Amino acid sequence: SQTIHQWPATLVQPVGSPLSLECTVEGTSNPNLYWYRQAAGRGLQLLFYSVGIGQISSEVPQNLSASRPQDRQFILSSKKLLLSDSGFYLCAWNHQELFFGEGSRLTVL
Amino acid sequence: AQTVTQSQPEMSVQEAETVTLSCTYDTSESDYYLFWYKQPPSRQMILVIRQEAYKQQNATENRFSVNFQKAAKSFSLKISDSQLGDAAMYFCAYRSAALTGGTSYGKLTFGQGTILTVHP
Repeated sequence: SQTIHQWPATLVQPVGSPLSLECTVEGTSNPNLYWYRQAAGRGLQLLFYSVGIGQISSEVPQNLSASRPQDRQFILSSKKLLLSDSGFYLCAWNHQELFFGEGSRLTVL
Repeated sequence: AQTVTQSQPEMSVQEAETVTLSCTYDTSESDYYLFWYKQPPSRQMILVIRQEAYKQQNATENRFSVNFQKAAKSFSLKISDSQLGDAAMYFCAYRSAALTGGTSYGKLTFGQGTILTVHP
């Protein structure tokens, strides 16, 4: 069966520091992968999606970037975090429907 | 652009009773999909139920059912015989049927979420 994992689960970072969140999918090949963010008091917002290695599409302008170095690996990054980057980040993949990882809670201080 | 609104930030229900979570949406499209997702305290979000807009019949999934009112653009979730394990944040979501390609399945518009508390 397919599984999706994210790490770290919780992260506290100072403003201006770099960020790297990882997501890995197992049990499938060439998945479509997504990064969503859930800000406090708001619904989930699609940030990036990828249909294959090296292929990244951005849905909203922001301070973050995404990369897909391997077929089943999706990374969310930032060179310098802003306070507004705080939130709950969810990685997902789709097969007909959308399946989510456990999420990573980022607090920028 | 489509929007999804959940006007109830928090709801509570007694165990074994019924609760209804509200969701409204705004779209100019005639064909689309609606979803309810559940995010329990363990955080992994899971799909509860989906509804195709072209189907008049309300979707049901065991104790979960929806009341889909297309003209009113309303999509409420009813949880019957509530259980402690139903406690979670519930998200309503919209997906356009006009999107093509495999990634269309992943491009959802979500509401703000409703936190459901179940009291024993």
